[in-house]
Amino acid sequence: GAVVSQHPSWVICKSGTSVKIECRSLDFQATTMFWYRQFPKQSLMLMATSNEGSKATYEQGVEKDKFLINHASLTLSTLTVTSAHPEDSSFYICSAQGVYNEQFFGPGTRLTVL
Amino acid sequence: AQSVTQLDSQVPVFEEAPVELRCNYSSSVSVYLFWYVQYPNQGLQLLLKYLSGSTLVESINGFEAEFNKSQTSFHLRKPSVHISDTAEYFCAVSHSTYNTDKLIFGTGTRLQVFP
Repeated sequence: GAVVSQHPSWVICKSGTSVKIECRSLDFQATTMFWYRQFPKQSLMLMATSNEGSKATYEQGVEKDKFLINHASLTLSTLTVTSAHPEDSSFYICSAQGVYNEQFFGPGTRLTVL
Repeated sequence: AQSVTQLDSQVPVFEEAPVELRCNYSSSVSVYLFWYVQYPNQGLQLLLKYLSGSTLVESINGFEAEFNKSQTSFHLRKPSVHISDTAEYFCAVSHSTYNTDKLIFGTGTRLQVFP
């Protein structure tokens, strides 16, 4: 149980375009999901906390207008990188929160902005 | 504020040798502790966790970690590693009573197992 999927797994886009990444909890409902960003050989940096039916809570330094998060159902959260630029290239990982605060992670989405 | 320190960025070891990956945390309140493993080009997978009760927790693939409150540590150990254990290992902590959502991660330890 506790499987989290992400789609797409890899995306390449042109600078200035927007990219949407989906995060789904496949066999459980998650009122809270998290979005992380991971640079090569570094740890995960929490970007925002996504709560079903309400606005996301962003960490300090993360632009909420650039990284749009929508958590419309108990099994789906989306992250949209708007007007992407090369510096947005990274590995984006989502997680869904379990009953005991453990987080179940998706496999990640590698974004490359040309 | 909570923080997690993983003292070793890389740990090279030969197959079948024992290994310990160190993790220390800083917190003024009770915490939950986690170890996650990340294989190349994959997301994180929960390896084991400490919530309460027995301070020694085990995973299904032979890893174990012991919560030591006095030393504020949660070191990960395995008595005999395999090539397949090669991965990045992250220690994480969350508050146990409030703001429990947030996981604070260490910087990770790269375990490299050689034949």
